[in-house]
Amino acid sequence: DTGVSQDPRHKITKRGQNVTFRCDPISEHNRLYWYRQTLGQGPEFLTYFQNEAQLEKSRLLSDRFSAERPKGSFSTLEIQRTEQGDSAMYLCASSLTTLDGYTYNEQFFGPGTRLTVL
Amino acid sequence: AQKVTQAQTEISVVEKEDVTLDCVYETRDTTYYLFWYKQPPSGELVFLIRRNSFDEQNEISGRYSWNFQKSTSSFNFTITASQVVDSAVYFCALTEAKKAAGNKLTFGGGTRVLVKP
Repeated sequence: DTGVSQDPRHKITKRGQNVTFRCDPISEHNRLYWYRQTLGQGPEFLTYFQNEAQLEKSRLLSDRFSAERPKGSFSTLEIQRTEQGDSAMYLCASSLTTLDGYTYNEQFFGPGTRLTVL
Repeated sequence: AQKVTQAQTEISVVEKEDVTLDCVYETRDTTYYLFWYKQPPSGELVFLIRRNSFDEQNEISGRYSWNFQKSTSSFNFTITASQVVDSAVYFCALTEAKKAAGNKLTFGGGTRVLVKP
């Protein structure tokens, strides 16, 4: 299967602990996105990478959150000192984007990592 | 700022009935893309359709069809002859279409569709 994969699928942690999620995009895709989805809501944008460069961060991404894509392939999202409000599904998506004007290429989503903070 | 509103939170139908999902959007961009995604109980978002703002032609793809009306900022989606496997949450989404833009998606709150046998 060559789709977007995320690990782990589920994570339960205690408040105050650090957690790290991993996303492996589709291999030739140069853009990688992180979204957060709370129960009963639509996904909300967190951040995105063009290759290894993090080009935009949402206001939702507090100082406790950090994302990396060191070699332009997989990405990690770390949450430090987790809070109960961080409980959500964290979705990763990737796309192959060409900067030729108004072309848009679909984002393909992974299965998500469901985080529960006790 | 962009905004997508899906006023229907839940729709329940009997199999073979048609289902129409409403979507209203707000954007200051003159060029943009609109999408519908499906999220089954497994949780993975599945891309269904895309429409760009400079083409208002409505189309049909299998059992899916959409009605894009720029004048009313609406992008409604219809499933014809619904099946039990169509039961899922459906999201409408929007992104800008500027060169070198981030293309981040703005999603609506979703509409849960329950198709009963």
